[in-house]
This record gives sequence, structure tokens and C-alpha cells, in this order.
Amino acid sequence: DAEITQSPRHKITETGRQVTLACHQTWNHNNMFWYRQDLGHGLRLIHYSYGVQDTNKGEVSDGYSVSRSNTEDLPLTLESAASSQTSVYFCASSEGRFSPLHFGNGTRLTVT
Amino acid sequence: QKEVEQNSGPLSVPEGAIASLNCTYSDRGSQSFFWYRQYSGKSPELIMSIYSNGDKEDGRFTAQLNKASQYVSLLIRDSQPSDSATYLCAVNEGGAGSYQLTFGKGTKLSVIP
Repeated sequence: DAEITQSPRHKITETGRQVTLACHQTWNHNNMFWYRQDLGHGLRLIHYSYGVQDTNKGEVSDGYSVSRSNTEDLPLTLESAASSQTSVYFCASSEGRFSPLHFGNGTRLTVT
Repeated sequence: QKEVEQNSGPLSVPEGAIASLNCTYSDRGSQSFFWYRQYSGKSPELIMSIYSNGDKEDGRFTAQLNKASQYVSLLIRDSQPSDSATYLCAVNEGGAGSYQLTFGKGTKLSVIP
């Protein structure tokens, strides 16, 4: 069965370190998204990609970057981790404009 | 600023009752609407999608869409304790060429045995 896999599931890092969260999907979807979820804010879009070499900023992109070198993967990098980036991160993919998102299991990131 | 609004709850209903969850959205051009269920510590899972005005039924779930009022709702009939979760409303608000979904903050539902 097709799926989205995120790794690691849990990560603790220190302020100022660079961190990369992995996302791998086997749906063969062109569209991939990164969201963060925080109490009181819900799911907020960080970055998204509509295909290889395409990346776009979302609502809360400051301090984050993504790259898309193939269809399956969209890694999310925190350039210099800050305590405000402690959150649960979800990767998702979709087939088309009117299609729902399929979510990965999430990565819980703690920045100390 | 495109917005999707939901009552945060918690919404408490007795087992066997109908739970009614509501959502409003700001972009009149939105064309696709989704309801997700999220259990604590888990990822969102799709339970309903709706694209046209009116009702769409799937088992115990009914989604209702009124584009003129910019309103979408979810009814859960014969509520069960296993329905206790946070329900997220999601809307494609980006217009032509946009594949993004904007999410509401979610309504927490508790079904009391």
C-alpha cells in the first residue's frame, strides 16, 4: 500500500543546531506539503512543492527550507533551530487540486 | 487573510446522540472541503470530502455544504465513544492553481458513555 513515512518520529535538539526532518511518499504524488501543529494554532503550512525542483513558502516559512530533487522526498530543514520551533510536524501529499491530503505520522520536535 | 473558523469546543454529547460540528470559511471561491478526524497523538485522517452544495452521506457521517453562506458542517449520527477526537475542517482556499488546504483549529468532541 502507498504511504507517507516521516523520520524521525521524535527528535530533541539544541538551540542553534541545524535539523532535517525526512518525508518520503510512495503515492507518486506531485504535490507535497509540510505543516506544523501547535496548541491554539492548528495546522499551519510551512512549505509546499508541486513537483521536482518546485518549492514555495507557506504561512510560517521563516527559519525553514525545503528542497525537491525527486518525486518521493521533501526534506524539511531548520537552519538554526529555535525554541519557538518546538512543535509537531506533519508531511502530506495530494494528487490534484481537489484532492484530499494524505498525512504522514508526524515528527515531534523539541528544541531545548 | 484566508480563514477557516471552527468552534474549539469541547463539544460533549451522550452516546447515541447526534453530534453537529460547524465550520465557516472566508474565500467565496473555495471549491473543495474536507473533514478530518485526529485522535490525540495521531495524524489527521480523512473522513469526508464534499464539493457541491447539499448533503453527502457516508455511513454515520453526513457533510453539509452551503457555499452561499460559506458554511460546511459535519453530522455524526449514533455517536460512539470511539468518535471522541478533534475534528478538523479543511478548505482549498487558494483559487486557481492552488493545491493547498487551509485548516481550522479543530473542534474537540467528547462522546459520553
